[in-house]
Amino acid sequence: DAGITQSPRYKITETGRQVTLMCHQTWSHSYMFWYRQDLGHGLRLIYYSAAADITDKGEVPDGYVVSRSKTENFPLTLESATRSQTSVYFCASTIGQGYEQYFGPGTRLTVT
Amino acid sequence: QQQVKQSPQSLIVQKGGIPIINCAYENTAFDYFPWYQQFPGKGPALLIAIRPDVSEKKEGRFTISFNKSAKQFSLHIMDSQPGDSATYFCAASGSAGGTSYGKLTFGQGTILTVHP
Repeated sequence: DAGITQSPRYKITETGRQVTLMCHQTWSHSYMFWYRQDLGHGLRLIYYSAAADITDKGEVPDGYVVSRSKTENFPLTLESATRSQTSVYFCASTIGQGYEQYFGPGTRLTVT
Repeated sequence: QQQVKQSPQSLIVQKGGIPIINCAYENTAFDYFPWYQQFPGKGPALLIAIRPDVSEKKEGRFTISFNKSAKQFSLHIMDSQPGDSATYFCAASGSAGGTSYGKLTFGQGTILTVHP
């Protein structure tokens, strides 16, 4: 199916564990993004990517790592999860500046 | 300044009412202002968007009003319905003289409840 998908949809992990959230899009969009959503903060940009092998930090990048070896995939890794990283994570993609960003269904991550 | 400030945090109206959500920004390089609608358990979806060369844009029951000099924009929902109950986010994007890579700066969100 065409679109943008995220996996897993729900994840519970322990403090200190490494966890990777997956994002896959079928449109071949150049630009991809990771946001976290927390009550009272809206959506905050963690990392973004302009193309394969081109990534850069957003507003709240600390504790996260990204890679983009293929245009369609943009995984987000929490190297050593902390409770403050409990959140809902959204991946998004777009063809460029001023165009619609399409969001995935989100991953609800709980760090215990 | 990249911040976008949104108000109110929550809003309750009766069916048929006209909820209004307001946003203000500081960065004059912003040139794209979308509104996103989010239902529980779902990702945000684009509702309507405006660029600063127009002061108003309508799509169905949804209208964006844009005031460039005040650096403010707002969403009006005409004849609101219970199905409009959702969280609404304003956002802004743009970079003078370069590319912003499509990055969006979001407001804090408004939870809208429309009673039958």
